[in-house]
Amino acid sequence: DVKVTQSSRYLVKRTGEKVFLECVQDMDHENMFWYRQDPGLGLRLIYFSYDVKMKEKGDIPEGYSVSREKKERFSLILESASTNQTSMYLCASSSPDRAGYTFGSGTRLTVV
Amino acid sequence: QQQVKQSPQSLIVQKGGISIINCAYENTAFDYFPWYQQFPGKGPALLIAIRPDVSEKKEGRFTISFNKSAKQFSLHIMDSQPGDSATYFCAASSERTGFQKLVFGTGTRLLVSP
Repeated sequence: DVKVTQSSRYLVKRTGEKVFLECVQDMDHENMFWYRQDPGLGLRLIYFSYDVKMKEKGDIPEGYSVSREKKERFSLILESASTNQTSMYLCASSSPDRAGYTFGSGTRLTVV
Repeated sequence: QQQVKQSPQSLIVQKGGISIINCAYENTAFDYFPWYQQFPGKGPALLIAIRPDVSEKKEGRFTISFNKSAKQFSLHIMDSQPGDSATYFCAASSERTGFQKLVFGTGTRLLVSP
């Protein structure tokens, strides 16, 4: 079965910390995405990557960066965590045949 | 600016009833319209999708209706069951922009009462 694995289900970090959220997919997908999910706002795209070492900003990239050194791994980095980055973070991958996204189970991040 | 507007925000339906969730979009370049289902503690999962060359697509109890001129599409869940209780997201993307970048609606929390 196709899988997208996010390394942590829950994280609690302090304001100002550098935070790494890891995502690994085992489907050899070219495209990978990071979304954040907030009540009433739906899913908003932070960054996406369509190839190794390639990245594109989404709709809300401020305060975030990403890294894709290997095809199967896409990392989201919060350079200096702030309380307004408390959210559910969802990673997804897809292939060019447009079979839809496969999402991970999410990481619920709380910044205190 | 929200490109896909979804309503209602929440919905309660009795078992056996029909659940209807509506979405409207603004970008006429959108050419792929999926619906995702999310259970608590899980990521969203693709439920059903439609392209604008057809007006309706049915898979089991789930049907997408698509109105290109009105720029609207909706999800109908027939004979709703308690196991359908979940959050549903509509989405849209454009092949022209590439990279399958989906724009999501704000979600509808569906509760099917026994």
